Amino acid sequence: DAGVTQSPTHLIKTRGQQVTLRCSPKSGHDTVSWYQQALGQGPQFIFQYYEEEERQRGNFPDRFSGHQFPNYSSELNVNALLLGDSALYLCASSRTQRNEQFFGPGTRLTVL
Amino acid sequence: AQSVTQLDSHVSVSEGTPVLLRCNYSSSYSPSLFWYVQHPNKGLQLLLKYTSAATLVKGINGFEAEFKKSETSFHLTKPSAHMSDAAEYFCVVSAISSGSARQLTFGSGTQLTVLP
Repeated sequence: DAGVTQSPTHLIKTRGQQVTLRCSPKSGHDTVSWYQQALGQGPQFIFQYYEEEERQRGNFPDRFSGHQFPNYSSELNVNALLLGDSALYLCASSRTQRNEQFFGPGTRLTVL
Repeated sequence: AQSVTQLDSHVSVSEGTPVLLRCNYSSSYSPSLFWYVQHPNKGLQLLLKYTSAATLVKGINGFEAEFKKSETSFHLTKPSAHMSDAAEYFCVVSAISSGSARQLTFGSGTQLTVLP
């Protein structure tokens, strides 16, 4: 049983560009959450998707958007990249109403 | 609203000695609490979780934590540290924020160093 997978592993972009990160949840999970982890800090909640809708959002600007597909996989899109968007982006999956979230290995985004 | 405070940003212990990583939480709801570990360049692994059952929770790799509501604490302990325990540890609180959405709020992390 594969766990949570994310792609790509690493990504380098320049300021102003747009990026798309992808996540496949653990088998049997229907809820996907995205987190941003800046260097030396704890992960910060970006948003959560369930039934292809954004259910909850953290304190992130509209430049951050997402999507969930019928197979429960998800994408995170970031527009107009800033240097401060450089971080490890983590995807976590869970079952509806369950506490426990399982994390993927993350995508390391570097903005130059 | 919910928040987590990890009281030590760095903890250093000798191999074979006890480990104590301290965490205080704040939550408007009855919380669920977790400890996650992150090894360098790796994702987050769940160590243990508290979900209103027994207040003393046992996790993987010999770790355990005790939920103390009166002190709003959820400290992580291990009787004897191993070199492989060196990593970043995060205390996490979860509560239903709206509808069925459960948002995890992370502490700032404690870097554990294990000395030979």
